[in-house]
Amino acid sequence: NAGVMQNPRHLVRRRGQEARLRCSPMKGHSHVYWYRQLPEEGLKFMVYLQKENIIDESGMPKERFSAEFPKEGPSILRIQQVVRGDSAAYFCASSRAGGGGSYNEQFFGPGTRLTVL
Amino acid sequence: QKEVEQNSGPLSVPEGAIASLNCTYSDRGSQSFFWYRQYSGKSPELIMFIYSNGDKEDGRFTAQLNKASQYVSLLIRDSQPSDSATYLCAVDTSYDKVIFGPGTSLSVIP
Repeated sequence: NAGVMQNPRHLVRRRGQEARLRCSPMKGHSHVYWYRQLPEEGLKFMVYLQKENIIDESGMPKERFSAEFPKEGPSILRIQQVVRGDSAAYFCASSRAGGGGSYNEQFFGPGTRLTVL
Repeated sequence: QKEVEQNSGPLSVPEGAIASLNCTYSDRGSQSFFWYRQYSGKSPELIMFIYSNGDKEDGRFTAQLNKASQYVSLLIRDSQPSDSATYLCAVDTSYDKVIFGPGTSLSVIP
């Protein structure tokens, strides 16, 4: 029973390039969350998606960042024209359902460590 | 007002002692409460969840919830050096999102 999968695990980009981070949720999970974590800091919520819908993107920077969760395939977090300040660990989590109740436990993937040179 | 707050760390306890981690939240509509453990350089791992007032025990871990006081805690009995990690409190909200606290760093001293 595979857990949440993220790839790549490590990604190096030069300033101005694009970064694409992928997340495949656990089997049976239809809700995906993206978080960013800077070194020695807490998790910062970025975006919450269901299949083909963005539910909450209040934590996403207004420019250069976008996310999608298509009907088929993994969720993608895309960062255009990366800058050094984008260097961080990006974690994806999935849950069976959102909101309250007993099905909204989030399970995390191993993360993608993005380094911008 | 921050939505989920945790006691500031780092927290140091000797091996074998009880570690007490505290969390308060602001949304009175919250129904689900989670504790995650995150080792340095790793992803958060769910260790406990609680929905009802009172205590919930799982091995050396006990979660305590008091909705009236909007307070949830995690007790770790017989602390081991392997418990040294950052502990994240997470709370669902009445607007369908789970909010994470900033985390408390725990160090168990052999």
